Order: sequence, then C-alpha cells, then structure tokens
Amino acid sequence: AQSVTQPDIHITVSEGASLELRCNYSYGATPYLFWYVQSPGQGLQLLLKYFSGDTLVQGIKGFEAEFKRSQSSFNLRKPSVHWSDAAEYFCAVGAREYGNKLVFGAGTILRVKS
Amino acid sequence: EPEVTQTPSHQVTQMGQEVILRCVPISNHLYFYWYRQILGQKVEFLVSFYNNEISEKSEIFDDQFSVERPDGSNFTLKIRSTKLEDSAMYFCASTMGESYGYTFGSGTRLTVV
Repeated sequence: AQSVTQPDIHITVSEGASLELRCNYSYGATPYLFWYVQSPGQGLQLLLKYFSGDTLVQGIKGFEAEFKRSQSSFNLRKPSVHWSDAAEYFCAVGAREYGNKLVFGAGTILRVKS
Repeated sequence: EPEVTQTPSHQVTQMGQEVILRCVPISNHLYFYWYRQILGQKVEFLVSFYNNEISEKSEIFDDQFSVERPDGSNFTLKIRSTKLEDSAMYFCASTMGESYGYTFGSGTRLTVV
C-alpha cells in the first residue's frame, strides 16, 4: 500500500535558522510529490511540486525540496525561517497508476521562536 | 490567482440530518476531488470525479456519501444522514491534470452534534 511518513510531529526552530522537514514515501510506482502548508483554520496552500526532471525544486516563500529516489525522500528546506512560516506542513504523494489521488503524511507542525 | 471556493466555511448539523457541502472548482479544471481531515489526523482522500462520474472512491465514501456536478460549475458533496464521526474539515480540490498540481479550497468545517 502507498504510504507517506513525516517522522517529525513538531519542530521548533529559531527565526533566521535553517529548516529541513522530512518526508519519506513508499510507493510501487513513479511518484509525483508535493508539499502543502496549512495555517490554523485555513486551507492547504501548495508550496512546491515535483513530477520529473531536476530533482531540486523551488517553491514559493523561499522553500525548496529535493527528490532522492534512492532514499524515497522528498525533504523540504528553507535557509532562513521567518516567524510567518509557523504552520503545519504536509507532504503528499500521488501516482497516475493509483488514480491520481493524493496520499498525505501526518503533517509536521513548525514553531518559530524569536 | 484562480481559487477553489468552498461554502459554507462552517456548518453545524444535528446527527441524522443531511448536509450538502459546496465547491466551485477552477473553471478550466477537469478533475475534482473531496478530501477530509478529522481534527488532529491526516488529510484523507474521499472521492475523485472526472467526466461527470466518480473515477475512484475510498472505503470512507460509503452509501451515505454522494457527489454531483449539477450545473458545470458547482461540485457538491452530500452526506445523507450525518454521524458524529463525520465531523471534520472537508476540502475540495481540482486540477487540469496531475502535472499541474492540485488546488485546494479553504475547506468546510462540519460539526455534527
């Protein structure tokens, strides 16, 4: 079965520090991968996506993610975190072979301390 | 930037009542989805809809659930007889195709009392 693991439930970083949020997936097909961000009570905003090509993808708000097929990972990074980045981050994976529905990870809550 | 619009943003309903959650997907999108997120849990796929029919549904999407695209712009999720465990945030999403990414609405928070 397809699955997505975000091993960190909560992460706290200082404002200005770098950030890496982990995502690992288990899929029997070539996946496409997404990161979404959700502020409290809000919807899901797409940060970035990977389908093919360059394995390092750039997204909005200064985020980037790297697809590593050998490690089945798609970690999200930001070099310098801002207080407004505090939110919950979801990794999601899909594949045409599985009907294009997305399977989400459990989410990582990011807290930013000043 | 085009948006997926969901109404209402909050709905409180009594157990056993029918509810209809409404979504207006992005106008040139072809594929439509409903997902739900029970408080504190993962976002879960419910159903996908393409070419005026359901293309896939999850185990959650039982006979109490139905979807419809009645007029070419709205996309609705109906829960026939709500249960307490249907309380969740329901998200609508749409896409032109997977390589374009999926746009999600802001969600409808359904509370069944």
